[in-house]
Amino acid sequence: AQSVSQHNHHVILSEAASLELGCNYSYGGTVNLFWYVQYPGQHLQLLLKYFSGDPLVKGIKGFEAEFIKSKFSFNLRKPSVQWSDTAEYFCAVKVSSGGSYIPTFGRGTSLIVHP
Amino acid sequence: DGGITQSPKYLFRKEGQNVTLSCEQNLNHDAMYWYRQDPGQGLRLIYYSQIVNDFQKGDIAEGYSVSREKKESFPLTVTSAQKNPTAFYLCASSALPGQGETQYFGPGTRLLVL
Repeated sequence: AQSVSQHNHHVILSEAASLELGCNYSYGGTVNLFWYVQYPGQHLQLLLKYFSGDPLVKGIKGFEAEFIKSKFSFNLRKPSVQWSDTAEYFCAVKVSSGGSYIPTFGRGTSLIVHP
Repeated sequence: DGGITQSPKYLFRKEGQNVTLSCEQNLNHDAMYWYRQDPGQGLRLIYYSQIVNDFQKGDIAEGYSVSREKKESFPLTVTSAQKNPTAFYLCASSALPGQGETQYFGPGTRLLVL
């Protein structure tokens, strides 16, 4: 079965700092990759996803992620974080299983941005 | 206003009791999912359903049961066999259980066992 590793469980940054959250997966075949975000008190929602094509994916609120197949990675980046980016971030991977594509989630990274 | 609703927001249960969590969607999605979220463990899949009257076990199905009698509804029952039921439960849906389909999540139900 595939697994997803998020290396940073807790990240604390100052506003305007750059952000990179790591995500690695263990599966050698075709994958579809997602980053979801859960803001305090809000629903989990999609930040961005990679399905095919350009491995550099841009999402909402200035976030981007790069799919590096050789490294089995899909790291999330933002050049300058804001206080409103404080949230929990989840990486997810979908692979084919008997014709279905059921996602596996990482453990999440809690990001706190202080002014 | 389309979306996923889960009720109640908080649920208290005595040990030994079964309890049912509600999940309804009006997005006309075929697939629905139940996840359990615990601190530091991310989201773990309990059950999923791709079509009415059919569902499959996820990674941690023991002690849980589901039904899918209607496309828009996917209730989860936490039975007394679940040894550690206190958790945050999330319901999700997607248009198709396909590769690139995004999942849409409900607000969650927090279950506390007293």
